[in-house]
Amino acid sequence: DAMVIQNPRYQVTQFGKPVTLSCSQTLNHNVMYWYQQKSSQAPKLLFHYYDKDFNNEADTPDNFQSRRPNTSFCFLDIRSPGLGDAAMYLCATSRPGTGPSYEQYFGPGTRLTVT
Amino acid sequence: QKEVEQDPGPLSVPEGAIVSLNCTYSNSAFQYFMWYRQYSRKGPELLMYTYSSGNKEDGRFTAQVDKSSKYISLFIRDSQPSDSATYLCAITRDKLVFGAGTILRVKS
Repeated sequence: DAMVIQNPRYQVTQFGKPVTLSCSQTLNHNVMYWYQQKSSQAPKLLFHYYDKDFNNEADTPDNFQSRRPNTSFCFLDIRSPGLGDAAMYLCATSRPGTGPSYEQYFGPGTRLTVT
Repeated sequence: QKEVEQDPGPLSVPEGAIVSLNCTYSNSAFQYFMWYRQYSRKGPELLMYTYSSGNKEDGRFTAQVDKSSKYISLFIRDSQPSDSATYLCAITRDKLVFGAGTILRVKS
């Protein structure tokens, strides 16, 4: 089945220790998104790639960066995690031009704990 | 003021009940109106979307949009324990803007 895969599902890191979260997709979608979702809150868009074009949200902290080496993979790098960065990180994909403009397919998420 | 407001619940109903989930939004420029369902420890999945005011039905689910009131609803008929999840409304302008989600629990 075509899908969005996120690894690891659970990640524990120490305060200030860099961490990388991974997302891969078999949908061949050209847009990939990273969201941060804290408990009982709406998913918050951090940034997205349209093909290789990177689009950062204005309020995304500099501590968060992303890489997309090819169509299938996208990484979220947190350079110096703080306690406030503990959250679920969701990767999503979409293919503009089919269905609603922003029909997005989500992975299961990576739950990040910062100790 | 948040762009999309959603009552977080939790909403607890007996099996077979009709469930009504609601969101309000502030920006009349929003175009598509979507409902996502999120099971515990999973990513959101698209349930339904609609573009215009009015109703759209899919099985036990009905999405309703009232653009004049900036109000959207999701109705679930004959609710089942498997419907227990968080329901997120999501609305588009240049990107998806999510509500905080309503936790629904259907008791058997």
